[in-house]
Amino acid sequence: DAKTTQPPSMDCAEGRAANLPCNHSTISGNEYVYWYRQIHSQGPQYIIHGLKNNETNEMASLIITEDRKSSTLILPHATLRDTAVYYCIVRVVGAGTALIFGKGTTLSVSS
Amino acid sequence: GAVVSQHPSWVICKSGTSVKIECRSLDFQATTMFWYRQFPKQSLMLMATSNEGSKATYEQGVEKDKFLINHASLTLSTLTVTSAHPEDSSFYICSAKTSGVTDTQYFGPGTRLTVL
Repeated sequence: DAKTTQPPSMDCAEGRAANLPCNHSTISGNEYVYWYRQIHSQGPQYIIHGLKNNETNEMASLIITEDRKSSTLILPHATLRDTAVYYCIVRVVGAGTALIFGKGTTLSVSS
Repeated sequence: GAVVSQHPSWVICKSGTSVKIECRSLDFQATTMFWYRQFPKQSLMLMATSNEGSKATYEQGVEKDKFLINHASLTLSTLTVTSAHPEDSSFYICSAKTSGVTDTQYFGPGTRLTVL
């Protein structure tokens, strides 16, 4: 699976949008982009995934560049409960392989 | 989303004893489950892939005789830490994969193991 690069940490004010970037310049055509987050001492939580089109659900929006070499996860109105480590992972779908976690981005939301 | 549970959520045991951790997919069938381990301030490390009805596949450096994995049904996988030692103290997390086009992985809440 291709590797991803994320900033180690980011800060965001409560109520503002949090934009978390991810670089995946070596992504293959059959690899999806997945985002998970892990709140302290809990299991990772699935957020969203996409192949090439932008995606939106009740938690977040995923913007993937046209060349698919990078993406941005957007939390439109961050709250204190969104403080977590956010992981961007690229993975071939259907191969039965596990998600491989990098170091992720620690997002700190403050009031 | 799909729900995965783990039991127990935390356990404390004496060195040399064995501990069993259960992972269940509550509202879907999972032909494949995964076990991860996470040490403090580190990321999740994949330990093994568990397929229903067959032997688990272990990652390099993970002792298969120490970490016994059984995936006897489509909703249950167990991890047994045998002859546990203090260095096995960690946060153990399982995940289950849904079937379908995007086969998303859903994670359990984790089990905190402390070996005294």
